[in-house]
Amino acid sequence: QVQLQQWGAGLLKPSETLSLTCAVYGGSFSEYYWNWIRQSPGKGLEWIAELDHRGGTKNNPSLKGRVTVSIDTSKKQFSLKLTSLTAADTAVYYCQLSVTRFGGLIVNYWGQGSLVTVSS
Amino acid sequence: EIILTQSVGTLSLSPGERATVSCRASQSVPYTHLAWYQQKPGQAPRLLIYGASSKTTGIPDRFSGSGSGTDFTLTINRLEPEDFAVYYCLQYGSPPYTFGQGTKLEIK
Repeated sequence: QVQLQQWGAGLLKPSETLSLTCAVYGGSFSEYYWNWIRQSPGKGLEWIAELDHRGGTKNNPSLKGRVTVSIDTSKKQFSLKLTSLTAADTAVYYCQLSVTRFGGLIVNYWGQGSLVTVSS
Repeated sequence: EIILTQSVGTLSLSPGERATVSCRASQSVPYTHLAWYQQKPGQAPRLLIYGASSKTTGIPDRFSGSGSGTDFTLTINRLEPEDFAVYYCLQYGSPPYTFGQGTKLEIK
């Protein structure tokens, strides 16, 4: 049974840096894609960044270079840093692991979500 | 950036009916990398469909996806009470990956 557990500070001030970590428990994967996705209160979903099994990364340019994602494969942890926070960054942040299994089947696993509030 | 438009914001149907949720892309979605997610209040989204028409594990047969290019559809046959939720399409063929704004399926 694969589970994702995420953690990080929930209340931050404007201009501070958001730091979230997501760990995977159970399972082993050869082809995988880690994603961070956020959802502003009462709003839709926004993709933030992806890091894949080859070490490639993709970021959403709307976040203007404020995003850094990294992975510690030995700990099976995936991290997000988002700098220069504003109130517009207030959202529930989700980590997501997309795994391609035998035969091309794609399976998603999600963290429980972290509410991050940016307020002075 | 590919913009996804789900033209219907709210769909009001009764259990047992068929739901059709549409998603239109501003340009062709590469590799038909279009997914559908279901989200219930307080929960993370749940993957239903990937590659426009392939179901992930554990998804009931009443869910199906179709489409290619710029027009995609999620169909739910014989709605069950647990199907009433918000549905999002996602294109993951061309970064930045983008979501539709969501279609809320509510009980009529």
